Amino acid sequence: DAGVIQSPRHEVTEMGQEVTLRCKPISGHNSLFWYRQTMMRGLELLIYFNNNVPIDDSGMPEDRFSAKMPNASFSTLKIQPSEPRDSAVYFCASTVGLASNEQFFGPGTRLTVL
Amino acid sequence: QQPVQSPQAVILREGEDAVINCSSSKALYSVHWYRQKHGEAPVFLMILLKGGEQKGHEKISASFNEKKQQSSLYLTASQLSYSGTYFCGTESDSGYALNFGKGTSLLVTP
Repeated sequence: DAGVIQSPRHEVTEMGQEVTLRCKPISGHNSLFWYRQTMMRGLELLIYFNNNVPIDDSGMPEDRFSAKMPNASFSTLKIQPSEPRDSAVYFCASTVGLASNEQFFGPGTRLTVL
Repeated sequence: QQPVQSPQAVILREGEDAVINCSSSKALYSVHWYRQKHGEAPVFLMILLKGGEQKGHEKISASFNEKKQQSSLYLTASQLSYSGTYFCGTESDSGYALNFGKGTSLLVTP
């Protein structure tokens, strides 16, 4: 079975550019999470969707970040405009049911903003 | 609120034991443990629900003391494959998203 799929795996961009990260959750999973991981702050939850509806977006750092889940099999995280401090590894994870169940993480997207 | 993990890092010789602690300032509904190897995604280890249960996974087990709002992960007779960063994730109420600690880096040497 395919796990959580993320693309791109690596992204290098210049400050001010728009960045779009993509995620395909495991088929049948109805909860999806976007996390950001840095050395300083660890693993931070950005946003949590359940049945395609955003449930908790309190972790989205600012208006430059937006996330969508147009259907059960696809989600995007967009940063516009990007800044060097956005450099991090962004993980997407999915699970069946509640956020409290075992989460399956994708391989992550390593974002570098120059 | 982010739980606090201790120690931040630990180095072991193969076969030694280790304990990783996770504490929260808020009442907890459950505690989750994940392990992340360098350059890879976090992988689920176990969930502990309130009730003070203890769980085991190979030679890795954990306990959850809901009164103290703490959980501990026990690694016995460590193997080289145990190396990685261990994260606890805490759930303050049923169905709420997890808050992860900053992680504990574990290195097992031959």
